[in-house]
Amino acid sequence: KQEVTQIPAALSVPEGENLVLNCSFTDSAIYNLQWFRQDPGKGLTSLLLIQSSQREQTSGRLNASLDKSSGRSTLYIAASQPGDSATYLCAVSHRNTGNQFYFGTGTSLTVIP
Amino acid sequence: GAGVSQSPSNKVTEKGKDVELRCDPISGHTALYWYRQRLGQGLEFLIYFQGNSAPDKSGLPSDRFSAERTGESVSTLTIQRTQQEDSAVYLCASSPRGGYEQFFGPGTRLTVL
Repeated sequence: KQEVTQIPAALSVPEGENLVLNCSFTDSAIYNLQWFRQDPGKGLTSLLLIQSSQREQTSGRLNASLDKSSGRSTLYIAASQPGDSATYLCAVSHRNTGNQFYFGTGTSLTVIP
Repeated sequence: GAGVSQSPSNKVTEKGKDVELRCDPISGHTALYWYRQRLGQGLEFLIYFQGNSAPDKSGLPSDRFSAERTGESVSTLTIQRTQQEDSAVYLCASSPRGGYEQFFGPGTRLTVL
């Protein structure tokens, strides 16, 4: 079974810093990987989707990379803002069960003004 | 446009009662997922619907859990004879035809006393 791990579990940074969130997965035969943010009491908001054939995706201040062979993805946030404070989740789908996504437990990010 | 909606937003029930949770996907989205998120844990896949195909029920934790979906519209998740360990946030997501990006609803917080 696919295991997804996110480190660190919590992170606190001052406003303006660049930061990196990590996601690792045990089975490299993934179909795609998706990064989400979750705000307290709310559902998940999709940030970036990387197909297995891609190496990275960018959206604004966010950049997600994917290294299937090492089972890792990183989410880079540039010039962090207090509004970036949320829990960030990564999820992977498996090649043979493309519809079933496996989620990590998330990294809780706090950006201090 | 309208996003994924779920109702109720909160549900408190007594142990042993049945509950029904509802999900309205984004119009035109053919895929629909149900997940469970226990406090402090990651999302657990429950069930997946794709159009009129047979659903993938591999994530349902017991036979007390069932879900229905008519065509490409509303889905209901039913939990019979609820137990305290069923307390969690139940999240629904939908995806468009041919796409893998998941769009989540706000969730239903279920508390079993």
